[in-house]
Amino acid sequence: KAGVTQTPRYLIKTRGQQVTLSCSPISGHRSVSWYQQTPGQGLQFLFEYFSETQRNKGNFPGRFSGRQFSNSRSEMNVSTLELGDSALYLCASSLTQENTEAFFGQGTRLTVV
Amino acid sequence: GDSVTQMEGPVTLSEEACLTINCTYTATGYPSLFWYVQYPGEGLQLLLKATKADDKGSNKGFEATYRKETTSFHLEKGSVQVSDSAVYFCALSGTGGFKTIFGAGTRLFVKA
Repeated sequence: KAGVTQTPRYLIKTRGQQVTLSCSPISGHRSVSWYQQTPGQGLQFLFEYFSETQRNKGNFPGRFSGRQFSNSRSEMNVSTLELGDSALYLCASSLTQENTEAFFGQGTRLTVV
Repeated sequence: GDSVTQMEGPVTLSEEACLTINCTYTATGYPSLFWYVQYPGEGLQLLLKATKADDKGSNKGFEATYRKETTSFHLEKGSVQVSDSAVYFCALSGTGGFKTIFGAGTRLFVKA
């Protein structure tokens, strides 16, 4: 079956702009989580959605937001981009919320210039 | 709160050397434990997992044992290959927070 699909793979944006990233989970998976990966900070949890509801949120400013649709696809949005937002954004899907492994997409590499 | 601590890298080994990457965790309840691997330019892939104390996860020659008494889940491989060069992440989930918590990652370089 198809894996987790993230689009686009690469993105270059200018400081102050906004960006929307998309994630299609594995068919049947209802939990989607987002992570930011940078060389300095490692893998940091952004938020998690289950059945269209945000269940958990990491320590990121309000410029970072997300949503999940009825088909479990998820989007995350970053407004007023800063240079420090340059990172690999990873999406992971799980069958349920508890005790199951996460399946990751290849990520979206965002560069803010 | 829950957390995962793993040894800092990078770890550089020669081909066929033994590998151990240490991982310890702090958690309430009884989490499941995982090792993920990230190859250059890719997302994370599940390498192995263990869901309860004394379970041993294994895959591709790697193994790790869930040690509740020492709250550890060390990754081991008896003979590494150049193709094992990657970043390895220890993680836990299922403690009620409904999210997977990752360690900082350990980069492994294997020289031919």
